[in-house]
Amino acid sequence: SAVISQKPSRDICQRGTSLTIQCQVDSQVTMMFWYRQQPGQSLTLIATANQGSEATYESGFVIDKFPISRPNLTFSTLTVSNMSPEDSSIYLCSGNILGVRKTEAFFGQGTRLTVV
Amino acid sequence: RKEVEQDPGPFNVPEGATVAFNCTYSNSASQSFFWYRQDCRKEPKLLMSVYSSGNEDGRFTAQLNRASQYISLLIRDSKLSDSATYLCVVRNAGGTSYGKLTFGQGTILTVHP
Repeated sequence: SAVISQKPSRDICQRGTSLTIQCQVDSQVTMMFWYRQQPGQSLTLIATANQGSEATYESGFVIDKFPISRPNLTFSTLTVSNMSPEDSSIYLCSGNILGVRKTEAFFGQGTRLTVV
Repeated sequence: RKEVEQDPGPFNVPEGATVAFNCTYSNSASQSFFWYRQDCRKEPKLLMSVYSSGNEDGRFTAQLNRASQYISLLIRDSKLSDSATYLCVVRNAGGTSYGKLTFGQGTILTVHP
Protein backbone atom coordinates (compact mmCIF):
# COMPACT_ATOMS: atom_id res chain seq x y z
CA SER A 1 0.00 0.00 0.00
CA ALA A 2 1.06 3.56 -0.62
CA VAL A 3 1.89 6.08 2.05
CA ILE A 4 0.99 9.67 1.40
CA SER A 5 2.62 12.34 3.51
CA GLN A 6 0.81 15.61 3.62
CA LYS A 7 1.87 18.78 5.36
CA PRO A 8 1.15 20.91 7.17
CA SER A 9 -1.35 18.93 9.22
CA ARG A 10 -3.03 22.11 10.35
CA ASP A 11 -2.65 25.86 10.13
CA ILE A 12 -4.36 29.03 11.19
CA CYS A 13 -3.99 31.78 8.61
CA GLN A 14 -4.93 35.41 8.25
CA ARG A 15 -7.44 36.32 5.59
CA GLY A 16 -5.88 37.55 2.39
CA THR A 17 -2.80 35.34 2.73
CA SER A 18 -2.01 32.11 0.88
CA LEU A 19 -1.11 28.64 2.10
CA THR A 20 0.65 25.92 0.14
CA ILE A 21 -0.04 22.31 1.07
CA GLN A 22 2.40 19.61 0.03
CA CYS A 23 1.76 15.97 -0.71
CA GLN A 24 4.47 13.35 -1.14
CA VAL A 25 3.71 9.78 -2.18
CA ASP A 26 6.07 6.89 -1.55
CA SER A 27 5.07 5.05 -4.74
CA GLN A 28 4.58 6.10 -8.31
CA VAL A 29 0.98 6.95 -9.02
CA THR A 30 -0.90 7.69 -12.20
CA MET A 31 -3.45 10.02 -10.75
CA MET A 32 -3.32 12.48 -7.90
CA PHE A 33 -6.29 14.45 -6.68
CA TRP A 34 -7.05 17.24 -4.26
CA TYR A 35 -10.24 17.23 -2.21
CA ARG A 36 -11.89 19.59 0.22
CA GLN A 37 -13.97 18.44 3.16
CA GLN A 38 -15.93 21.16 4.86
CA PRO A 39 -17.12 20.66 8.45
CA GLY A 40 -19.72 17.93 8.64
CA GLN A 41 -19.61 17.35 4.90
CA SER A 42 -18.24 14.71 2.62
CA LEU A 43 -15.31 15.11 0.26
CA THR A 44 -15.57 17.36 -2.78
CA LEU A 45 -13.04 17.04 -5.58
CA ILE A 46 -11.19 20.26 -6.30
CA ALA A 47 -9.00 19.09 -9.17
CA THR A 48 -6.94 16.35 -10.73
CA ALA A 49 -3.22 17.09 -10.55
CA ASN A 50 -1.61 16.22 -13.88
CA GLN A 51 2.10 15.63 -14.10
CA GLY A 52 3.85 18.36 -16.06
CA SER A 53 0.69 20.10 -17.19
CA GLU A 54 -2.12 22.20 -15.84
CA ALA A 55 -4.48 20.61 -13.37
CA THR A 56 -8.04 19.72 -14.37
CA TYR A 57 -10.47 21.63 -12.17
CA GLU A 58 -13.97 20.67 -11.17
CA SER A 59 -16.92 22.99 -11.50
CA GLY A 60 -16.74 25.75 -8.92
CA PHE A 61 -12.97 25.65 -8.54
CA VAL A 62 -10.51 27.80 -10.52
CA ILE A 63 -6.78 27.87 -10.98
CA ASP A 64 -6.35 31.41 -9.70
CA LYS A 65 -7.82 30.42 -6.35
CA PHE A 66 -6.34 26.91 -6.10
CA PRO A 67 -3.14 26.71 -8.14
CA ILE A 68 -1.79 23.17 -8.26
CA SER A 69 1.60 21.85 -9.24
CA ARG A 70 2.76 18.31 -9.94
CA PRO A 71 6.35 18.38 -11.12
CA ASN A 72 6.77 14.60 -10.94
CA LEU A 73 4.77 11.45 -10.29
CA THR A 74 5.22 11.47 -6.52
CA PHE A 75 4.82 15.11 -5.47
CA SER A 76 2.07 17.71 -5.70
CA THR A 77 1.16 21.01 -4.07
CA LEU A 78 -2.10 22.83 -3.64
CA THR A 79 -2.14 26.53 -2.83
CA VAL A 80 -5.17 28.17 -1.29
CA SER A 81 -4.85 31.78 -2.42
CA ASN A 82 -6.18 35.02 -0.99
CA MET A 83 -7.88 33.12 1.79
CA SER A 84 -11.17 34.04 3.40
CA PRO A 85 -12.95 32.40 6.36
CA GLU A 86 -15.06 30.42 3.85
CA ASP A 87 -11.90 28.54 2.88
CA SER A 88 -11.69 27.03 6.38
CA SER A 89 -11.85 23.34 5.70
CA ILE A 90 -9.88 20.13 5.58
CA TYR A 91 -7.88 19.65 2.40
CA LEU A 92 -6.86 16.12 1.38
CA CYS A 93 -4.64 14.80 -1.34
CA SER A 94 -5.20 11.38 -2.83
CA GLY A 95 -3.34 9.08 -5.18
CA ASN A 96 -4.14 5.96 -7.20
CA ILE A 97 -1.37 3.41 -7.54
CA LEU A 98 0.12 2.87 -11.00
CA GLY A 99 -1.06 -0.12 -12.95
CA VAL A 100 -3.30 -1.79 -10.40
CA ARG A 101 -6.79 -2.52 -11.63
CA LYS A 102 -9.60 -1.41 -9.34
CA THR A 103 -6.94 0.12 -7.19
CA GLU A 104 -7.43 1.57 -3.79
CA ALA A 105 -7.21 5.32 -3.46
CA PHE A 106 -4.91 6.42 -0.67
CA PHE A 107 -5.29 9.66 1.18
CA GLY A 108 -2.94 11.99 2.95
CA GLN A 109 -3.69 12.73 6.57
CA GLY A 110 -5.34 16.00 5.63
CA THR A 111 -4.61 19.66 6.32
CA ARG A 112 -6.99 21.36 8.70
CA LEU A 113 -7.11 25.00 7.68
CA THR A 114 -8.66 27.76 9.73
CA VAL A 115 -8.81 31.25 8.26
CA VAL A 116 -9.33 34.09 10.69
CA ARG B 1 -29.82 15.30 -7.73
CA LYS B 2 -26.53 14.35 -6.08
CA GLU B 3 -24.36 11.95 -8.00
CA VAL B 4 -24.04 9.64 -4.98
CA GLU B 5 -26.70 9.60 -2.29
CA GLN B 6 -26.63 7.76 1.00
CA ASP B 7 -28.92 7.10 3.91
CA PRO B 8 -28.84 10.31 5.95
CA GLY B 9 -28.35 8.54 9.29
CA PRO B 10 -27.13 8.83 11.94
CA PHE B 11 -27.45 5.25 13.06
CA ASN B 12 -27.19 4.46 16.75
CA VAL B 13 -27.12 0.74 17.45
CA PRO B 14 -26.19 -1.51 20.37
CA GLU B 15 -23.23 -3.82 20.24
CA GLY B 16 -24.05 -7.01 18.42
CA ALA B 17 -26.68 -5.44 16.21
CA THR B 18 -26.86 -5.79 12.44
CA VAL B 19 -27.00 -2.54 10.52
CA ALA B 20 -27.39 -1.85 6.80
CA PHE B 21 -26.46 1.22 4.80
CA ASN B 22 -27.84 2.00 1.36
CA CYS B 23 -26.48 4.13 -1.44
CA THR B 24 -27.64 5.07 -4.93
CA TYR B 25 -25.64 6.57 -7.78
CA SER B 26 -26.87 8.48 -10.80
CA ASN B 27 -24.13 7.91 -13.40
CA SER B 28 -24.89 4.64 -15.18
CA ALA B 29 -21.38 4.65 -16.66
CA SER B 30 -19.78 4.40 -13.22
CA GLN B 31 -17.21 1.66 -13.16
CA SER B 32 -16.07 0.88 -9.64
CA PHE B 33 -17.68 1.06 -6.26
CA PHE B 34 -16.32 1.22 -2.76
CA TRP B 35 -17.14 1.70 0.86
CA TYR B 36 -14.71 3.89 2.77
CA ARG B 37 -14.56 4.44 6.46
CA GLN B 38 -13.62 7.75 8.03
CA ASP B 39 -12.90 8.07 11.71
CA CYS B 40 -13.26 11.41 13.41
CA ARG B 41 -10.52 13.83 12.34
CA LYS B 42 -8.87 11.19 10.16
CA GLU B 43 -8.57 10.62 6.45
CA PRO B 44 -10.87 8.14 4.66
CA LYS B 45 -9.61 4.59 4.37
CA LEU B 46 -10.86 1.83 2.13
CA LEU B 47 -13.17 -0.60 3.89
CA MET B 48 -13.97 -2.74 0.88
CA SER B 49 -14.54 -2.70 -2.84
CA VAL B 50 -17.97 -3.70 -4.07
CA TYR B 51 -18.26 -6.30 -6.81
CA SER B 52 -21.25 -7.18 -8.98
CA SER B 53 -21.48 -10.65 -7.46
CA GLY B 54 -21.48 -9.27 -3.96
CA ASN B 55 -18.63 -9.79 -1.57
CA GLU B 56 -18.01 -10.43 2.06
CA ASP B 57 -15.14 -9.58 4.37
CA GLY B 58 -15.67 -10.95 7.84
CA ARG B 59 -18.65 -9.16 9.37
CA PHE B 60 -19.04 -6.88 6.37
CA THR B 61 -21.05 -7.69 3.25
CA ALA B 62 -21.32 -5.41 0.22
CA GLN B 63 -23.83 -5.72 -2.58
CA LEU B 64 -24.12 -3.99 -5.94
CA ASN B 65 -27.18 -3.83 -8.18
CA ARG B 66 -26.16 -2.18 -11.45
CA ALA B 67 -29.69 -2.26 -12.86
CA SER B 68 -31.01 -0.26 -9.92
CA GLN B 69 -27.76 1.67 -9.45
CA TYR B 70 -27.80 0.70 -5.82
CA ILE B 71 -25.05 -0.27 -3.37
CA SER B 72 -25.38 -1.60 0.13
CA LEU B 73 -23.21 -2.40 3.12
CA LEU B 74 -24.26 -4.78 5.86
CA ILE B 75 -22.44 -4.94 9.17
CA ARG B 76 -23.16 -7.91 11.38
CA ASP B 77 -22.38 -8.24 15.09
CA SER B 78 -21.50 -4.56 15.44
CA LYS B 79 -18.53 -3.63 17.60
CA LEU B 80 -17.83 -0.40 19.43
CA SER B 81 -14.88 0.06 17.09
CA ASP B 82 -17.22 0.13 14.09
CA SER B 83 -18.32 3.62 15.12
CA ALA B 84 -17.31 5.89 12.25
CA THR B 85 -18.63 7.62 9.16
CA TYR B 86 -19.16 5.28 6.21
CA LEU B 87 -18.73 6.78 2.78
CA CYS B 88 -20.21 5.33 -0.38
CA VAL B 89 -17.77 6.04 -3.20
CA VAL B 90 -18.07 5.66 -6.96
CA ARG B 91 -15.32 5.83 -9.57
CA ASN B 92 -16.22 7.01 -13.05
CA ALA B 93 -15.46 5.19 -16.25
CA GLY B 94 -12.91 6.38 -18.83
CA GLY B 95 -12.35 9.70 -20.52
CA THR B 96 -11.14 12.81 -18.78
CA SER B 97 -12.83 11.83 -15.55
CA TYR B 98 -11.10 8.47 -15.28
CA GLY B 99 -9.99 7.70 -11.77
CA LYS B 100 -12.11 10.45 -10.25
CA LEU B 101 -13.92 9.40 -7.10
CA THR B 102 -17.30 10.79 -6.16
CA PHE B 103 -18.26 10.55 -2.50
CA GLY B 104 -21.62 10.26 -0.87
CA GLN B 105 -22.35 12.51 2.07
CA GLY B 106 -21.54 9.74 4.51
CA THR B 107 -23.54 7.92 7.14
CA ILE B 108 -22.55 8.23 10.77
CA LEU B 109 -22.68 5.02 12.77
CA THR B 110 -22.45 4.98 16.55
CA VAL B 111 -22.31 1.61 18.27
CA HIS B 112 -23.04 1.81 22.00
CA PRO B 113 -22.54 -0.71 24.80
